[in-house]
Amino acid sequence: GQQVMQIPQYQHVQEGEDFTTYCNSSTTLSNIQWYKQRPGGHPVFLIQLVKSGEVKKQKRLTFQFGEAKKNSSLHITATQTTDVGTYFCLGGSNYKLTFGKGTLLTVNP
Amino acid sequence: KAGVTQTPRYLIKTRGQQVTLSCSPISGHRSVSWYQQTPGQGLQFLFEYFSETQRNKGNFPGRFSGRQFSNSRSEMNVSTLELGDSALYLCASRGTNGDQAFFGQGTRLTVV
Repeated sequence: GQQVMQIPQYQHVQEGEDFTTYCNSSTTLSNIQWYKQRPGGHPVFLIQLVKSGEVKKQKRLTFQFGEAKKNSSLHITATQTTDVGTYFCLGGSNYKLTFGKGTLLTVNP
Repeated sequence: KAGVTQTPRYLIKTRGQQVTLSCSPISGHRSVSWYQQTPGQGLQFLFEYFSETQRNKGNFPGRFSGRQFSNSRSEMNVSTLELGDSALYLCASRGTNGDQAFFGQGTRLTVV
């Protein structure tokens, strides 16, 4: 079945450092979505990527979808304490949705 | 527009009991998915319902079941509870395929 591997599992950074999390799917995806879950909260939608090689930016966040539509990344430039939380990717293919296990980001002020 | 509502928010049950969780999706959304979240396993997909039909199912034992009503509200039932069923259960609603998922606040189930 479809599997989505996400790395790293944890990442601790100093405020101002950059952060990247990666997702790799065992199958070709039709789309990938990214979510953020704050401690004690529920996942909140960030963005969806659909096209091969697509790159989207939201302020300090940059999202990429690989050319083969099997991998994706989320990069945060100059992290802030408000970026703390777990970032999940959600791979979609033929109605099936598979979450990566998430990357827990902690930021030291 | 009201968000996704899950009830109850917190629940404590004993082993062997059964539990029913409820999820009311955003008005107009016909897809409801259920997820189990635990610290060690992350978010694991339980099942998805669309227009009262189960469209997809994850790899959970038959003790986990669900249904969806004509108004798109969904219920999830877990029978013969085990300690390992303690988790945050999240439901998410979507409008159409590929639309972003809107999550409820979750039901925190503790099995003692």
